[in-house]
Amino acid sequence: NAGVTQTPKFQVLKTGQSMTLQCAQDMNHNSMYWYRQDPGMGLRLIYYSASEGTTDKGEVPNGYNVSRLNKREFSLRLESAAPSQTSVYFCASMDRVQETQYFGPGTRLLVL
Amino acid sequence: GENVEQHPSTLSVQEGDSAVIKCTYSDSASNYFPWYKQELGKGPQLIIDIRSNVGEKKDQRIAVTLNKTAKHFSLHITETQPEDSAVYFCAASNSGGSYIPTFGRGTSLIVHP
Repeated sequence: NAGVTQTPKFQVLKTGQSMTLQCAQDMNHNSMYWYRQDPGMGLRLIYYSASEGTTDKGEVPNGYNVSRLNKREFSLRLESAAPSQTSVYFCASMDRVQETQYFGPGTRLLVL
Repeated sequence: GENVEQHPSTLSVQEGDSAVIKCTYSDSASNYFPWYKQELGKGPQLIIDIRSNVGEKKDQRIAVTLNKTAKHFSLHITETQPEDSAVYFCAASNSGGSYIPTFGRGTSLIVHP
């Protein structure tokens, strides 16, 4: 039982490049989330998926797109990376019965 | 929407001392309050939670208290140890709502040996 996995662990991009952050969970959770974490800002919600086939914007969705590929996988795409998107990105899934979120180990992204 | 304020942003204590982190929330409909611990280089992990029908919950050296009237809740860590050093986040959500917790900005706890 791996929990929530994220790839890659670390990535360097040049401004304007695109990339997709991958996330998968093996806990059969319906809800999945993407957050970014910046110093002093806590965890800010980018997008979430309440269930397979649905996605909704969070607090800071601009510059990002998401795909809920199936119940297990939820990807985050940066179409044209900007230096302001330098951050640590966390994927999470939720056990709705307990309302507990389980977080992945994070992806550290540097945009030059 | 919900707004969660967390204080202090940094907390430095000596090993063996107690540490208290406080959070306030704005939405009286919130009824679930988890606390997460984030160690360096890792994702946050749930350490304790409390629901609005309970005023206090304890798990070994950590405890959480909730005051629904004042809309605040606190994390208490007793007999702190160096391995307690981490960033702690509080959150608030409404069961049966959108399943989107609102997080505080985090407290960096440093325990000096």
